[in-house]
Amino acid sequence: EAQLLESGGGLVQPGGSLRLSCGASGFVFSSYVMSWVRQAPGKGLECVSSITASGTTTYYADSVRGRFTVSRDNSKSTLFLQMDRLTAEDTAIYYCAKDGATNQPYFLNRWGQGTLVTVSS
Amino acid sequence: QSVLTQPPSVSGAPGQRVTISCTRSASDIGAGSDVHWYQHIPGTAPKLLIYGTSKRPSGVPDRFSGSKSGTSASLAISGLQAEDEADYYCQSFVDDLRGSVFGGGTKLTVL
Repeated sequence: EAQLLESGGGLVQPGGSLRLSCGASGFVFSSYVMSWVRQAPGKGLECVSSITASGTTTYYADSVRGRFTVSRDNSKSTLFLQMDRLTAEDTAIYYCAKDGATNQPYFLNRWGQGTLVTVSS
Repeated sequence: QSVLTQPPSVSGAPGQRVTISCTRSASDIGAGSDVHWYQHIPGTAPKLLIYGTSKRPSGVPDRFSGSKSGTSASLAISGLQAEDEADYYCQSFVDDLRGSVFGGGTKLTVL
């Protein structure tokens, strides 16, 4: 069974950086698009970033483009999200999710339990 | 303002049928893309309910169904149960910059 485990969340000051990781198991990681989805307190789900199976194409929400960078290491079945210039509006639970497609984001059929990122002084 | 518009809330009594709409602008370049639906109970991981507009993953009860007409998709839940009380989100691919987006979410209350 596919499993995803996020790590790297925590408390960070405004303007700071944080790197999230997501370890995958139970499926062929290198065959699927992967995404980061967040939920801020009292808000809905937001697809923050996605990356194709090969890692050649990335996608970003307008709210994070230029500050966040998604990457993956298919040899280690791991997804990353580098978050820079963080603001209070980035405070959220960040979920790692597996897509059902290879070459373009489609639907998310497996989710991790999430990791909490809090941006506060 | 999300590209995908959902009603903020819907409600129904146990046993009833409710529908949740997801509408996108006709001028949206991704308007022909499939729509997918998720159930989210706060504190837990979201769960895929419907993919490809109307397909159900294994394990999802057939009380849940999806459809699409023009630029509006719908999730229907029949035989409403107390355990269905949750937030529901539609999601679709929009463009090559952003990838996918979610609708604003709909809170379902079982009366």
